[in-house]
Amino acid sequence: DGGITQSPKYLFRKEGQNVTLSCEQNLNHDAMYWYRQDPGQGLRLIYYSQIVNDFQKGDIAEGYSVSREKKESFPLTVTSAQKNPTAFYLCASSTSTGMSYGYTFGSGTRLTVV
Amino acid sequence: KNEVEQSPQNLTAQEGEFITINCSYSVGISALHWLQQHPGGGIVSLFMLSSGKKKHGRLIATINIQEKHSSLHITASHPRDSAVYICAVGAHSNYQLIWGAGTKLIIKP
Repeated sequence: DGGITQSPKYLFRKEGQNVTLSCEQNLNHDAMYWYRQDPGQGLRLIYYSQIVNDFQKGDIAEGYSVSREKKESFPLTVTSAQKNPTAFYLCASSTSTGMSYGYTFGSGTRLTVV
Repeated sequence: KNEVEQSPQNLTAQEGEFITINCSYSVGISALHWLQQHPGGGIVSLFMLSSGKKKHGRLIATINIQEKHSSLHITASHPRDSAVYICAVGAHSNYQLIWGAGTKLIIKP
């Protein structure tokens, strides 16, 4: 069955270290997204990509970087410039950006920086 | 005013009760999603709706496009249903999702 795989589910890192969160999909979806969730708050868009080798900043891109070298993969790097990286991170993908589309969601990665 | 509003923000009920969580939105949409998030856990997609009603086990989701409103119902609620339920809409204007803040549900045995 097709879907999105996020790994790992839980991740611990020391302050000041960069960390990369994995997101892989086998749905042949064009668009992929990264969201961040803080306790008690809604999800916010970090970055999104509509096609390979292209991506755009979302609402809270500072301190994060992404790449889209393959259609299947959209890794998110949380850099040391991100002041408060401890959060829940959700990856999603969707079909074309037209009027009719469907989203699929990963199960998320919970990052804790100590 | 948020484009996607969920109510209630928090809900506590006894096991067995019928639960309703509401989602209202102000934009034209192509689809609405309901997701579930257990404490400290990941996110599970429950439903994607563009019209009418869907049912999966004890969960029922309805949407009224004209009124821009969706409801998620849980019949015969159980403590394992305790979670945050999130509504998200895909707007017509672009393909991005607009997220509700979530409804925290606690079912007491």
